[in-house]
Amino acid sequence: DQQVKQNSPSLSVQEGRISILNCDYTNSMFDYFLWYKKYPAEGPTFLISISSIKDKNEDGRFTVFLNKSAKHLSLHIVPSQPGDSAVYFCAATGWAGTALIFGKGTTLSVSS
Amino acid sequence: DSGVTQTPKHLITATGQRVTLRCSPRSGDLSVYWYQQSLDQGLQFLIHYYNGEERAKGNILERFSAQQFPDLHSELNLSSLELGDSALYFCASSPVEGSGNTIYFGEGSWLTVV
Repeated sequence: DQQVKQNSPSLSVQEGRISILNCDYTNSMFDYFLWYKKYPAEGPTFLISISSIKDKNEDGRFTVFLNKSAKHLSLHIVPSQPGDSAVYFCAATGWAGTALIFGKGTTLSVSS
Repeated sequence: DSGVTQTPKHLITATGQRVTLRCSPRSGDLSVYWYQQSLDQGLQFLIHYYNGEERAKGNILERFSAQQFPDLHSELNLSSLELGDSALYFCASSPVEGSGNTIYFGEGSWLTVV
């Protein structure tokens, strides 16, 4: 039973345009959400996070939106750059010491 | 460089064998997590240790075990290996017990079972 779902295995975007990566979750106990980015032959690296008390968090070109009622979050990258091409993982956790639960990832390809 | 060190980076072994993967967390981090990344399976949580004590188990097989030592490094032991155990195994660490916080990943250990 997948508690965190990334239904799009891949996404292709042109340089300069917006990339939108989506993530759905099923566990209502999740209240902290993170996005990780992974390049080939490297470990995942933290990108941005959001707690359930917020509905938006912004860091430079990256913005995460959280819709608690829909149990949905999204990562917006504006403008997209070729160096953003990577696998993006959505992750969720509760505050009670539970481990991060990850989705299967979305491979983003940004073409110049 | 996340500060999390994993060894070995690559390992090829035969079915039925046993291997040990090692992880050194970031300096000062007390929590260590193990994840498995198989083809098309994303990052599957295996087990979490905090300051030497097991805190949570995920989808970890009975053939697998882990421990965290007093110096906070951790080892993941995989025994009676099967072809399906071929995967990338990640260790991650964080300073706190709960992962309502960022965790930092090592570069992973590639295990190939032949």
